Amino acid sequence: GNSVTQMEGPVTLSEEAFLTINCTYTATGYPSLFWYVQYPGEGLQLLLKATKADDKGSNKGFEATYRKETTSFHLEKGSVQVSDSAVYFCALSEYGGSQGNLIFGKGTKLSVKP
Amino acid sequence: DGGITQSPKYLFRKEGQNVTLSCEQNLNHDAMYWYRQDPGQGLRLIYYSQIVNDFQKGDIAEGYSVSREKKESFPLTVTSAQKNPTAFYLCASSILGADTGELFFGEGSRLTVL
Repeated sequence: GNSVTQMEGPVTLSEEAFLTINCTYTATGYPSLFWYVQYPGEGLQLLLKATKADDKGSNKGFEATYRKETTSFHLEKGSVQVSDSAVYFCALSEYGGSQGNLIFGKGTKLSVKP
Repeated sequence: DGGITQSPKYLFRKEGQNVTLSCEQNLNHDAMYWYRQDPGQGLRLIYYSQIVNDFQKGDIAEGYSVSREKKESFPLTVTSAQKNPTAFYLCASSILGADTGELFFGEGSRLTVL
């Protein structure tokens, strides 16, 4: 079946460091890919998305590129801030978004120290 | 403001008791979902509903029940048959047929069994 694998955390970085959180997926067909963020005690918020190969999603300085050849959707940010401390989830939509069901990775906790 | 409201935010239950978690949305979304979140496990789908009076089991439906009598409401009952109910429960909604596949989440309900 379809699945998402993301790097295990926790990840601890100093402010202004470069961030990469790896995400790879297994899917039949052509899923849409997402990164969601969860701040402490809250629900998840969509951070960025990409709906087809080679698309780049971006938001708040974060970027991820849909790589079909490597089945990857790695999250990157050039300079993290303390306020980026959260849990990040990679997810895919099995039906390209038309039916809404998402499959989530296990999440990666990021802590940014001042 | 449109959004998803979950209540209560915190709930304690004795073993053997049923408990119902509320989820209401005013986004006019067709589909609604319940996910369970455990540390290190990511999100797992319990139930989802794409239309009023219809719902489907997700990956971990055993010990849970739902109803969808109104478009805006999708309550989840955690029954005494659920062996390990202590978890963080997230409700979400989405537009069906849209290309985005984006889920909108509530802030969650934390259930603790004493």
